[in-house]
Amino acid sequence: EAGVAQSPRYKIIEKRQSVAFWCNPISGHATLYWYQQILGQGPKLLIQFQNNGVVDDSQLPKDRFSAERLKGVDSTLKIQPAKLEDSAVYLCASSFGLAGYEQFFGPGTRLTVL
Amino acid sequence: GEDVEQSLFLSVREGDSSVINCTYTDSSSTYLYWYKQEPGAGLQLLTYIFSNMDMKQDQRLTVLLNKKDKHLSLRIADTQTGDSAIYFCAEGGTDKLIFGTGTRLQVFP
Repeated sequence: EAGVAQSPRYKIIEKRQSVAFWCNPISGHATLYWYQQILGQGPKLLIQFQNNGVVDDSQLPKDRFSAERLKGVDSTLKIQPAKLEDSAVYLCASSFGLAGYEQFFGPGTRLTVL
Repeated sequence: GEDVEQSLFLSVREGDSSVINCTYTDSSSTYLYWYKQEPGAGLQLLTYIFSNMDMKQDQRLTVLLNKKDKHLSLRIADTQTGDSAIYFCAEGGTDKLIFGTGTRLQVFP
């Protein structure tokens, strides 16, 4: 079974530039999550989708971050414009459903903002 | 509020047992989890415990839960060099996970 795929694996940009990350969840998984993991910290949930609807985006900085999952499968996370403090690993995870199903994580995209 | 704390670093000799500790604050959490993160990789679920359990054993892993003190621990028996990684505890209710800061386990020969 293929795991959660993410691209790119690494990205370096200058502050105020824009960047987008892509995630392809495990086939059949209805729930998709984006986490931000700052160096030395645990992952923090940014946004959660159930199919193509948003379940929780309470910690997403909506002035600069946006995410979509148009057909309920792949998802993109965008940052525009980026700030230095956005340097982190962005992890995508998926699960079969809500309420206690195991979350499977992708390898992450490491973003460096200079 | 939601806050999960862990010690930052643990160093053990190969073959010894490792004990990684975690404290959490949300008493309504239904599940408590342990994840492992190796360099350059995503998180891998190791084990979890339901909040009405005190202990769970899974091969070399033993999870202890003290709900009164909101304390969770992960014991790894016969620790191997391949166990070197960062270990995260996480608490969850229905679906949202709150992760701890992570404990870096270093295993030396």
